[in-house]
Formats: sequence, C-alpha cells, structure tokens
Amino acid sequence: QVQLQESGPGLVKPSQNMSLSCSVSGGSISSGSYYWSWIRQPAGKGLEWLGRIYVSGSTNYNPSLNTRVTISRDTSKNQVSLKLNSVTAADTAVYYCARIYCSPMTCYLDFWGQGIPVTVSS
Amino acid sequence: DIQMTQSPSSLSASVGDRVTITCRASQNINTYLNWYQQKPGKAPKLLIHAASTLQSGVPSRFSGSGSGTDFVLTINDLQPEDFATYYCQQSYRILFTFGPGTTVDI
Repeated sequence: QVQLQESGPGLVKPSQNMSLSCSVSGGSISSGSYYWSWIRQPAGKGLEWLGRIYVSGSTNYNPSLNTRVTISRDTSKNQVSLKLNSVTAADTAVYYCARIYCSPMTCYLDFWGQGIPVTVSS
Repeated sequence: DIQMTQSPSSLSASVGDRVTITCRASQNINTYLNWYQQKPGKAPKLLIHAASTLQSGVPSRFSGSGSGTDFVLTINDLQPEDFATYYCQQSYRILFTFGPGTTVDI
C-alpha cells in the first residue's frame, strides 16, 4: 500500500519562498507509470492542481502559478518536493501530495497524503 | 483551461435516499472524468475513474455515468458515512481541473 506524508513549515512570511516535502513509502517514485503531484486547497474552498513530476523527472505546472512553482524529486530519499516562490496570503492553503496513475483511457489521483496546512503571514 | 461545473452546490438528504450530482465540462473530455469524496479535515478519496469505473474498495452504491461534457455521480441507499463533499475532476488535459464541489448533508 502506497503511503504519502507531507512535511514542511506551517508558517511562512510573505515574499519568502516555501518548500514542502512528500515522503513516499510502499513504492518507488522512480518506477512504474506514475506521476507525483501537488494539489492545494484554501480553507473552505475547492482543489487546485499545482503540477506533477514523472518517473523520468519531467515536469508540468499549472500556468496560473507562472514561474513561481518548482517540483523536484530526490530518488535516494524517495521524496518529492514543492517549492513556491514569493508567497502571498493567497497561497495559504492545505497542500496535498498525491500519486497519479495513467493508462491510455484514464488518468487519476489514487493515493493522497494527509495534507499539510500552510499559513502565509507576517 | 477546461472549466468544470457541478450542480447542485449543496443538497440535503436522508439515510436511504438516492442522490444524484451532475458535473459538466466546458469542452469534450471523452470519459476522462473522476469523482472524489472528501470529508472534513481529510484528503480527497478516489471513488470513480474513467467516468464509470468504480475504484477498488468503494461500495457498489456509488456509480458514475456520462461522456463528452455531461457526467453524473449517483449514490444509492445513502449511508451515514456518505455525508461529505464530492468533487469531479477532468484528466483530459495535463492541467487537471476540479469542479467546485457538491456538499451532501443531512
């Protein structure tokens, strides 16, 4: 059973850079036909997909974040990371990491971490 | 971006009821449509993928249908543990987008 666990600071000051990690157990982030992604959810609001990284290391991002977001991986630690630059209060949310499985006819988020709340405030 | 809408935004139901939630995509997404259930303070849980395929371990009272732009999630014989918020999500494009959610409460 794949398990994901997010970690990182719960409080970030405006204009600073935020870094979160997602530790994966029960499966390797560098094998299989999987993507590893980040999604966020402001309190009381809906879900926003931020981006993903493939087993090959290739990435895709949500254009709404422009160039502020970077997703990377550390295969030796079996971790995926999210970096969001120049944060503002609008980036306050619960951040989730999740695995994406894709086949020719379907693509879905099948395993999720429990989420980590991040507040942007001075 | 593909925009996803859901209706209703919320509904009240009773145990044993049949509930129907509609999701609409702004363009044809074939059957690249997934449904998730989220309870307060928890991560979303995958219920249905490819519009109508039940995820392993999900009770058979959940079902999905549709293709193209219009999709439906049906919950038969609503159980107490089904009171939650439900989201649809398209995976037709690399930029995944979610519907705004439908809250099912008592």
